Amino acid sequence: GESVGLHLPTLSVQEGDNSIINCAYSNSASDYFIWYKQESGKGPQFIIDIRSNMDKRQGQRVTVLLNKTVKHLSLQIAATQPGDSAVYFCAETGVFGAGTILRVKS
Amino acid sequence: EPEVTQTPSHQVTQMGQEVILRCVPISNHLYFYWYRQILGQKVEFLVSFYNNEISEKSEIFDDQFSVERPDGSNFTLKIRSTKLEDSAMYFCASSVQGARGEQYFGPGTRLTVT
Repeated sequence: GESVGLHLPTLSVQEGDNSIINCAYSNSASDYFIWYKQESGKGPQFIIDIRSNMDKRQGQRVTVLLNKTVKHLSLQIAATQPGDSAVYFCAETGVFGAGTILRVKS
Repeated sequence: EPEVTQTPSHQVTQMGQEVILRCVPISNHLYFYWYRQILGQKVEFLVSFYNNEISEKSEIFDDQFSVERPDGSNFTLKIRSTKLEDSAMYFCASSVQGARGEQYFGPGTRLTVT
């Protein structure tokens, strides 16, 4: 029969608000993390990365925070726009997380 | 802007048939990857390739799978005898650095096994 996909968590935000997407990882030895954005029907697109010797890295409208103590990663998107609507994945050196759906309401 | 391309965009095949999925990585990239994404699920790593050999592979990448760089531009994924559960989107990616660097993904090939 048809396989059932994962029920991805969904974050709905109003256009112009800030978005925070969270990710937990399990391997305490992981030293490199990436956030990807995947729009419908497309491949993942690199957003920002961070190495384990940092706890914060900023890009254009995006910030990644890394808390190694609790093995947690977050992606902050400032002034969220409709074009930010997508599935967001964190990845640790090629191993992808389950993803979070971001929906931006106009 | 250079991009990774993949062909075909959609491949339908019968169970037991062989399929070859094709990718043209970005020309100055040295590392190549295949991932798959079953509908509605997360992206799963299959294999990485560098210097004409497999550098890493996952448990998914069993003896039914093989990769090849037949010439200076193409990178292919072959599935010898497809199963229903091979139905998925297959993404090729390439990078300048290895796994610790930005990977550029292609648009994917949707494989449907009937």
